[in-house]
Amino acid sequence: DGGITQSPKYLFRKEGQNVTLSCEQNLNHDAMYWYRQDPGQGLRLIYYSQIVNDFQKGDIAEGYSVSREKKESFPLTVTSAQKNPTAFYLCASSKQERLPQHFGDGTRLSIL
Amino acid sequence: AQSVTQPDIHITVSEGASLELRCNYSYGATPYLFWYVQSPGQGLQLLLKYFSGDTLVQGIKGFEAEFKRSQSSFNLRKPSVHWSDAAEYFCAVGPYSGGGADGLTFGKGTHLIIQP
Repeated sequence: DGGITQSPKYLFRKEGQNVTLSCEQNLNHDAMYWYRQDPGQGLRLIYYSQIVNDFQKGDIAEGYSVSREKKESFPLTVTSAQKNPTAFYLCASSKQERLPQHFGDGTRLSIL
Repeated sequence: AQSVTQPDIHITVSEGASLELRCNYSYGATPYLFWYVQSPGQGLQLLLKYFSGDTLVQGIKGFEAEFKRSQSSFNLRKPSVHWSDAAEYFCAVGPYSGGGADGLTFGKGTHLIIQP
């Protein structure tokens, strides 16, 4: 079955450490997205990519970085510059940027 | 800037009763509108979408929503809720206008509680 796979499901970060969240899709979708979800805040866009080797910042890109070397993969790195990284991170994809976005099951990041 | 307002943070409904979740949006052009549902610790599942045409849209799990341009609303309804409908519901509008970044703008969600 096609879908979006996020790993790991739970991740812990030490102070000053960079961590990378994985997102892989086999839906042959062009666009991929990263959202951050905080309790009572809904989802906020971190980064998005319409095509390979191209990506744009969303509303809250500071402290995060991404790459899009393959159509299927869009990893998110939470850098040490992100001072409040504890959140639920959701990856999404769509065939075109205006079509409904399909979501993975998320990664919960916590600070040790 | 576009925005989505879900005025009800929590709603409690008895099983078998009807449901309406409210969503109001602010958007500079004709919006694309979506409703998603999220179970605890899970990703989001698309319930229904509106792009154009008939303003009453049918979705999965017996849900429907009506686009009212004059009221900038896209309320979600279900005639009879089931205990399995208990979840977090998100309204979203897209795509982003201007700024070069694209994606969806989400409301803060409505937590639906079902009473037996």
